Amino acid sequence: GDSVTQMEGPVTLSEEAFLTINCTYTATGYPSLFWYVQYPGEGLQLLLKATKADDKGSNKGFEATYRKETTSFHLEKGSVQVSDSAVYFCALTASGNTPLVFGKGTRLSVIA
Amino acid sequence: GAVVSQHPSWVICKSGTSVKIECRSLDFQATTMFWYRQFPKQSLMLMATSNEGSKATYEQGVEKDKFLINHASLTLSTLTVTSAHPEDSSFYICSLSGLDTVEQYFGPGTRLTVT
Repeated sequence: GDSVTQMEGPVTLSEEAFLTINCTYTATGYPSLFWYVQYPGEGLQLLLKATKADDKGSNKGFEATYRKETTSFHLEKGSVQVSDSAVYFCALTASGNTPLVFGKGTRLSVIA
Repeated sequence: GAVVSQHPSWVICKSGTSVKIECRSLDFQATTMFWYRQFPKQSLMLMATSNEGSKATYEQGVEKDKFLINHASLTLSTLTVTSAHPEDSSFYICSLSGLDTVEQYFGPGTRLTVT
C-alpha cells in the first residue's frame, strides 16, 4: 500500500537557520502531497500542498516541490523562527475521499 | 479552507461511561469525514471513514461496537466511545473533505482522559 517516510526528529535549530525536512513516498498512480503542521495541543493545519509533478507548494516562507522522479516532497524554509516550533507531517492521498497516509511526523524546535 | 469545530475540546470521564464527540463543519459540505486518534508524540492513526448517510468503514483493529460513528448530515459527524477504559485515553481528531477537493480539513481535536 501507499506509504510516507519522513526524517526522524527531533530537529533543533537556531533562529534564522535553514530548514529541510525530508519526505519520500511510495504510491500507485499520482497522489496529491501535503505538509501539515501541528502546534502543541492542537489539530493539524494544512501548511502547503502539491497535486501534480513539479508543482511547488508554498506558504509562510515554507516550500516543497513534488518530485516524481525521486518520489520526494521535501519541506524547506530559508530562515526559521521560534514560532515555527511544531510537529510537521508529510502526507499523501489518492483523492479527497480517501484517507490521508501520514508520515510519523518530525518535531522541530527553534531556539532563540 | 473550511472551518471545522469539535466539541468538547477536552473531557474527563470515569471508566465504563460513554462519551460523545461532535465534529462540525461550519461552512463546508462534507461528503466524507475521517476520525483519527493520536497518542502522545505519535502520528495520527485512522480509525474510520464515513460518508454522509452511510455506515462508517472501520480500519482493521478498531472495534465498531466500541467506537460508534454517525455521519448524519453534511455538516455533522459524531464519535461515541462506549464503555470507555483508560486505554481509550487519547487525542481524537476529525477531518473532512468534499466533492472536487483533495484537501482534508482538520478539527482542533478532543482530548479524552478516562480515569
